[in-house]
Amino acid sequence: KAGVTQTPRYLIKTRGQQVTLSCSPISGHRSVSWYQQTPGQGLQFLFEYFSETQRNKGNFPGRFSGRQFSNSRSEMNVSTLELGDSALYLCASSLVTSGNSYNEQFFGPGTRLTVL
Amino acid sequence: KNEVEQSPQNLTAQEGEFITINCSYSVGISALHWLQQHPGGGIVSLFMLSSGKKKHGRLIATINIQEKHSSLHITASHPRDSAVYICAVRPTQGGSEKLVFGKGTKLTVNP
Repeated sequence: KAGVTQTPRYLIKTRGQQVTLSCSPISGHRSVSWYQQTPGQGLQFLFEYFSETQRNKGNFPGRFSGRQFSNSRSEMNVSTLELGDSALYLCASSLVTSGNSYNEQFFGPGTRLTVL
Repeated sequence: KNEVEQSPQNLTAQEGEFITINCSYSVGISALHWLQQHPGGGIVSLFMLSSGKKKHGRLIATINIQEKHSSLHITASHPRDSAVYICAVRPTQGGSEKLVFGKGTKLTVNP
């Protein structure tokens, strides 16, 4: 079974631009979570999507948004990029089977975003 | 204060040594994860625990729910174990996969 894939793997943007990152979960996984990793803050939760609905959102400004498609693929968008948005963006998928069940998360390789 | 605290931040060991990394958390959780991150960024899930102890090869993870504490042990450490080890908890919430992470422990195992 193919793992979680993320595209692109590397991206360079300038301040003020916007960016869209893509994540394809493991086949059959319906939950996709996004995380930001920076040297200063470590890993932080951005948001989680399940069945095309955002179930939870981290403490990030509205410039960070996402969506999930009917095939469970997810995209996240960052508008009006700032220097501080330079980070590794990771997505993870999990097989959620029922309301409160908890499952292992499988991480993608990440997209390294550099904002100049 | 962070919800998840790891210690130590950095750890250097000689090949063959027994290693322990600790994780304490302050919130109610439904699960705790131990993750491994190698240079380059890829994250691998090592364990997911809600109680007791799990073992996989040379790795052992334990959790004490009452004390809100977990440990990751590596027996007979090897240079290929050099990586950042991250503790993450899933706070008790209905049906959410959100994880809260510790800052990580950078392990270097010298030959």
